[in-house]
Amino acid sequence: GDSVTQMEGPVTLSEEAFLTINCTYTATGYPSLFWYVQYPGEGLQLLLKATKADDKGSNKGFEATYRKETTSFHLEKGSVQVSDSAVYFCALSDREGYSTLTFGKGTMLLVSP
Amino acid sequence: EAGVVQSPRYKIIEKKQPVAFWCNPISGHNTLYWYRQNLGQGPELLIRYENEEAVDDSQLPKDRFSAERLKGVDSTLKIQPAELGDSAVYLCASSPGTYTEAFFGQGTRLTVV
Repeated sequence: GDSVTQMEGPVTLSEEAFLTINCTYTATGYPSLFWYVQYPGEGLQLLLKATKADDKGSNKGFEATYRKETTSFHLEKGSVQVSDSAVYFCALSDREGYSTLTFGKGTMLLVSP
Repeated sequence: EAGVVQSPRYKIIEKKQPVAFWCNPISGHNTLYWYRQNLGQGPELLIRYENEEAVDDSQLPKDRFSAERLKGVDSTLKIQPAELGDSAVYLCASSPGTYTEAFFGQGTRLTVV
């Protein structure tokens, strides 16, 4: 079945550092890929998405590119802020196109001033 | 526009007791999901509704879990009787339809003691 693997956390960075959170997936067909973010005490929010190979999703300075050849969707940000501290989840949707999501385990990001 | 609303936010019950969670999706969203998120894990799908029909309940432990979506709007998820291993965050999400984003509520944190 479909699965998502993300790097374990926590990832601890200083403010303005470069961020990469690795995500690889296993799926049949051509899933859509997502990054969701969960701030402390809040629900999951969509951060960005990509629906086909070579698409780049971007939002709030975060970027991720759908790499079919390496089955990856790594999240990057050039300069993190303290307010980016949260748990980040990589996810894919099923082939049928419904938004049923398969999630990775999540990666906690801690940014210090 | 109001987002996905869940209640209660927190619930503590003794094992073998029943418990119910309620979800009000975003107006006009035909698809509704219930996910369970164990500590340190990503959310896992329990059930998906298209309007009032449960179209994917393959991961719902039917011996103790039940769900309904009356009139294709609000939904209730019930556990009877609860077990210690049911302690988790129960997330409700909704989406307008296929190939679209899922919007999540803040979740209900259940603790079974």
